Amino acid sequence: DQQVKQNSPSLSVQEGRISILNCDYTNSMFDYFLWYKKYPAEGPTFLISISSIKDKNEDGRFTVFLNKSAKHLSLHIVPSQPGDSAVYFCAASRSGAGSYQLTFGKGTKLSVIP
Amino acid sequence: ETGVTQSPTHLIKTRGQQVTLRCSSQSGHNTVSWYQQALGQGPQFIFQYYREEENGRGNFPPRFSGLQFPNYSSELNVNALELDDSALYLCASSRREAIPYEQYFGPGTRLTVT
Repeated sequence: DQQVKQNSPSLSVQEGRISILNCDYTNSMFDYFLWYKKYPAEGPTFLISISSIKDKNEDGRFTVFLNKSAKHLSLHIVPSQPGDSAVYFCAASRSGAGSYQLTFGKGTKLSVIP
Repeated sequence: ETGVTQSPTHLIKTRGQQVTLRCSSQSGHNTVSWYQQALGQGPQFIFQYYREEENGRGNFPPRFSGLQFPNYSSELNVNALELDDSALYLCASSRREAIPYEQYFGPGTRLTVT
């Protein structure tokens, strides 16, 4: 039972264009969402997060949108750069669970073509 | 500021053996979590430690155990290794008093069980 789903295993985008990575979740108790980026042979790097009380959070070229009614979030990268090529993981957590554990999707491999 | 470090980088063990993986938390962090990432999957929560006690556990059997030390470093122990235990093991640290969901990952230990 996968509670966080990233249905696109891969995505290719031209440099300078927008990259949109999608994530769906099934557990309505999740109230905090995060995106991580992972390069080969490195651990995941925290990118951006959003609380369920918001519907948008921006940090430079990265914006995360949350649609609670659809249980859907997306990460927008504008403009995309070759250095953004990595695997992107969506993760979710719920407050009050005690352990602050993160539930991850399977990841989307983004390739930004120069 | 030193990030999360893990040792060893790679490890090869035989089925039935025991293994200990080590993690040093990022400076100022008091919570450590361990995740297992199988090939093609997202990281899966094993357990979390806070104040040297287990503070939440995922769907892993008791042969997966851990320790957190007063200096916030941590160990993951796996007994009676099985072939399916082959994976990347990630350690993540965070400050419980800050935004606890924003966990910071080490580079991981690649465990191969033959």
